[in-house]
Amino acid sequence: AQSVTQLGSHVSVSEGALVLLRCNYSSSVPPYLFWYVQYPNQGLQLLLKYTSAATLVKGINGFEAEFKKSETSFHLTKPSAHMRDAAEYFCAVFSGGYNKLIFGAGTRLAVHP
Amino acid sequence: GAVVSQHPSRVICKSGTSVKIECRSLDFQATTMFWYRQFPKKSLMLMATSNEGSKATYEQGVEKDKFLINHASLTLSTLTVTSAHPEDSSFYICSASADRVDGYTFGSGTRLTVV
Repeated sequence: AQSVTQLGSHVSVSEGALVLLRCNYSSSVPPYLFWYVQYPNQGLQLLLKYTSAATLVKGINGFEAEFKKSETSFHLTKPSAHMRDAAEYFCAVFSGGYNKLIFGAGTRLAVHP
Repeated sequence: GAVVSQHPSRVICKSGTSVKIECRSLDFQATTMFWYRQFPKKSLMLMATSNEGSKATYEQGVEKDKFLINHASLTLSTLTVTSAHPEDSSFYICSASADRVDGYTFGSGTRLTVV
């Protein structure tokens, strides 16, 4: 069965610093992987997705993620954090067998001046 | 891009009453929609998978009679919380996808408060 683990429930960075949010997956088949962002009292917005094409995926708002099969990882990065990046971030894997998304526990990103 | 509209965004109801939440795919047809519940500072918990023209598939532990789901058309799914109680207060989010490869589009969520 597919699953995702997000390491670190809270990450705090300074404005302008590198953002690194970690996600490891478990899947017996080539996975479809997603990163979503959630702002307070809002739904989820898709940042980027991996669907077995290029391993380095570029998304919106300057975020990107690299699929590393050897490490079963799909970490989210952004070179320079902005205050508006403060939000909750969720990694998810698509479970084809059950036709549903399986979410990680989420990582709350705080950006301080 | 794909847009999913969810209404209402906030609702307050009295204990014992029922509340209906709508989820619409505005620019695509969704044969499958999903309903999630999110507790404060927690991840999303899938409640059920809504299939157009058929019965919803509920996750283990979710009361079918409490959370009624109807998917009457390819663009509309509704979640009705029946005989609501304060413990049903939560943030409910729907999602839909025209193609799973494209990812799932989420509604903006509904904050339900039962008093």
